[in-house]
Amino acid sequence: DAKTTQPPSMDCAEGRAANLPCNHSTISGNEYVYWYRQIHSQGPQYIIHGLKNNETNEMASLIITEDRKSSTLILPHATLRDTAVYYCIVTVDQGGKLIFGQGTELSVKP
Amino acid sequence: GAVVSQHPSWVICKSGTSVKIECRSLDFQATTMFWYRQFPKQSLMLMATSNEGSKATYEQGVEKDKFLINHASLTLSTLTVTSAHPEDSSFYICSARGGWTGTSGASFYEQYFGPGTRLTVT
Repeated sequence: DAKTTQPPSMDCAEGRAANLPCNHSTISGNEYVYWYRQIHSQGPQYIIHGLKNNETNEMASLIITEDRKSSTLILPHATLRDTAVYYCIVTVDQGGKLIFGQGTELSVKP
Repeated sequence: GAVVSQHPSWVICKSGTSVKIECRSLDFQATTMFWYRQFPKQSLMLMATSNEGSKATYEQGVEKDKFLINHASLTLSTLTVTSAHPEDSSFYICSARGGWTGTSGASFYEQYFGPGTRLTVT
């Protein structure tokens, strides 16, 4: 599976959009981009995933660049409860084993 | 949504004893379950993948004789840490995914994580 690079930490003001970048320059054509998050001392939670097209669900939007070498997770209106570590994972096996990197620690501030 | 539970949520044991951690999918059938461990301020590390009715597949560097995994039913997997030592103290997290046909009540394309079990070995 391709390696991902994320900034170690980010801050966001409550109510504003949080844009979390992920670099995956070695991604293969059949690899998916997944995003999970982990709130302190809890199990991770699935957010969204995509292959080529941008995706949106009730939690977030995923924007994948045309060359697929990077992506951005967007939380449209961040709340304090969105404070967590966000992991971007690239995998060919949908729903299969996940190799977690270090993630981005997002702090949403009032 | 699909819910995964773990029991116990925390456990303290003495060095040399064995500890069993249960992972259950409460409202769906999980053909595949995964076990991770997480040390403080570190990311999750995948330990093994287990499919119902077959032997678990362990990641490189994980001792299969020390971390015994059993996946006897579609809703239950157990992890037994044998002869635990202080360095085994960690946060153990399981996850599960639904079946391929989509009729199990959960998606095949995402993993549902349990709340984790904190193990402290004294």
